Amino acid sequence: NAGVIQTPRHKVTGKGQEATLWCEPISGHSAVFWYRQTIVQGLEFLTYFRNQAPIDDSGMPKERFSAQMPNQSHSTLKIQSTQPQDSAVYLCASRRDRTNTEVFFGKGTRLTVV
Amino acid sequence: EQQVQQSPASLVLQEAENAELQCSFSIFTNQVQWFYQRPGGRLVSLLYNPSGTKQSGRLTSTTVIKERRSSLHISSSQITDSGTYLCALSNYNVLYFGSGTKLTVEP
Repeated sequence: NAGVIQTPRHKVTGKGQEATLWCEPISGHSAVFWYRQTIVQGLEFLTYFRNQAPIDDSGMPKERFSAQMPNQSHSTLKIQSTQPQDSAVYLCASRRDRTNTEVFFGKGTRLTVV
Repeated sequence: EQQVQQSPASLVLQEAENAELQCSFSIFTNQVQWFYQRPGGRLVSLLYNPSGTKQSGRLTSTTVIKERRSSLHISSSQITDSGTYLCALSNYNVLYFGSGTKLTVEP
């Protein structure tokens, strides 16, 4: 079990460019989460999928951010027209099912917008 | 208002001392999970404790849901325990995190 896999580990983009982050949840896990971590804000919830369906995206900035889960083995977080304030570590996590089981995190993708 | 509050914000111990970290919350929850993170490192699940007391090695978590609090006890601290400890709550869906307790264990 390789755990939650996130790629790339580091990404540098120029201001205004697009960034796509990838996540492969643990096999058999039906819930996938995206979080953002910064020193100032700490851990911020972005969005949540269950059985590939978007359940809660209340943490997603309404403009420029989008997330998809086209199949049970991967999810993507896309940021259009990246801005310096988007620089953060983006974390993906998965959980087996809805019945209150442990959540496991990937190592994250460090996004730097220059 | 922050939904999950942790105290203390930081803690410095001498090696072999015990630590008690606190987590209080204002939202309904039926799941409390404690995580550990080193600078630049992955969030590592330490204990998943919906209620009562749960132990794993030198770590003991006690959660009292109706009092909206949870604690993490670290016994016989080691230098390698240094890092940030985060309390997270779930209300069946999303995990909400506290700001963490930064623990430094000195020789």
